[in-house]
Amino acid sequence: QKEVEQNSGPLSVPEGAIASLNCTYSDRGSQSFFWYRQYSGKSPELIMSIYSNGDKEDGRFTAQLNKASQYVSLLIRDSQPSDSATYLCAATSGGSYIPTFGRGTSLIVHP
Amino acid sequence: GAVVSQHPSRVICKSGTSVKIECRSLDFQATTMFWYRQFPKKSLMLMATSNEGSKATYEQGVEKDKFLINHASLTLSTLTVTSAHPEDSSFYICSARGRPAGQETQYFGPGTRLLVL
Repeated sequence: QKEVEQNSGPLSVPEGAIASLNCTYSDRGSQSFFWYRQYSGKSPELIMSIYSNGDKEDGRFTAQLNKASQYVSLLIRDSQPSDSATYLCAATSGGSYIPTFGRGTSLIVHP
Repeated sequence: GAVVSQHPSRVICKSGTSVKIECRSLDFQATTMFWYRQFPKKSLMLMATSNEGSKATYEQGVEKDKFLINHASLTLSTLTVTSAHPEDSSFYICSARGRPAGQETQYFGPGTRLLVL
């Protein structure tokens, strides 16, 4: 059974701080990883994708992938109250195009 | 970015009626479309996966005769909730998988909120 694990939170950080969201996956064959943001009552929105070990930066967001340890993380710099949402981690393996989603981590950025 | 639309965004219907939800990839061809449902404060639940021109693959516990999926083209998939009941009330979200930016990625539609009275 392929699993993607996330701490449900909530993770509470002050405005301006770095929010660190973590995700682990069980399928060592996973090759593609995605972070989605979901505001309450809305559908998920793609933030980042990462395919190789290391860091990938896009604006205030940095995705980090460590395949040896089977974890992927998302860092949000200079967190804003508008970043408050649930963040979903997803992974797909080479043998399947169906992503496995984590249950999501709730992030609260307080002023 | 890639755009996936859903229609309607919200629907209220009487118990026993059928409701059709459309999902379109507007600026790319979707190799695969997925249908999810999500209850309040719960995680996404995959209902079925469909490829253009072939029958949908349903997840365990999802009734294929109740949730009819038609994937008519590379840009359109429909979900019909037949003989809807109040317990079918939920947030239904489609997503489309394609390569608008080079790599195969899944993009979500805005969702359809269904309320069955």
